[in-house]
Amino acid sequence: ETGVTQSPTHLIKTRGQQVTLRCSSQSGHNTVSWYQQALGQGPQFIFQYYREEENGRGNFPPRFSGLQFPNYSSELNVNALELDDSALYLCASSLRGERTNEKLFFGSGTQLSVL
Amino acid sequence: AQKITQTQPGMFVQEKEAVTLDCTYDTSDQSYGLFWYKQPSSGEMIFLIYQGSYDEQNATEGRYSLNFQKARKSANLVISASQLGDSAMYFCAMREESGYSTLTFGKGTMLLVSP
Repeated sequence: ETGVTQSPTHLIKTRGQQVTLRCSSQSGHNTVSWYQQALGQGPQFIFQYYREEENGRGNFPPRFSGLQFPNYSSELNVNALELDDSALYLCASSLRGERTNEKLFFGSGTQLSVL
Repeated sequence: AQKITQTQPGMFVQEKEAVTLDCTYDTSDQSYGLFWYKQPSSGEMIFLIYQGSYDEQNATEGRYSLNFQKARKSANLVISASQLGDSAMYFCAMREESGYSTLTFGKGTMLLVSP
């Protein structure tokens, strides 16, 4: 196990609603990243937080937002849910170091279904 | 152009045999890292192996080795002595020096190991 925990494991929402997903990072890690994995695809980078500030963002609209707390836990918030937001949302934690060899440790994800 | 290409949607191998999963990548960065992750049906992405662009030797981690051919921009994963528990999705991913800590993933290869 990686020590990264996500909650809830499954969630069903309707179009237009808002959702908050939670992640607890591995002990000692100071960076958290969120990824969206649609069915049959590889994970897509949403954004990353380092020391409680957004530190990089993928091609996702502003209705995807996040927070990182002093204890390095994190939230992903999605407003005005759309059907295409249905996916597995993965949280990954890491310890900021050498850029290219920094290893990400993933949680088991939250499966979000939007009806 | 896709940054990470995995051309094998699915692979079959018999237990105890070796298998190679293909990955090619595209980057203009001189410094980058290549990763392989395993994703079982539980959803968690499990780190397997890392290769840095400046590493002269191919990476090895137990039964996993990475066949790195820089000129061809390929980073194939070799699993020796396959086990039933190796059945899962396998993703190749890259971190570019210019990309903070973000990973770009391929679409994955489903590996099925039969008795």
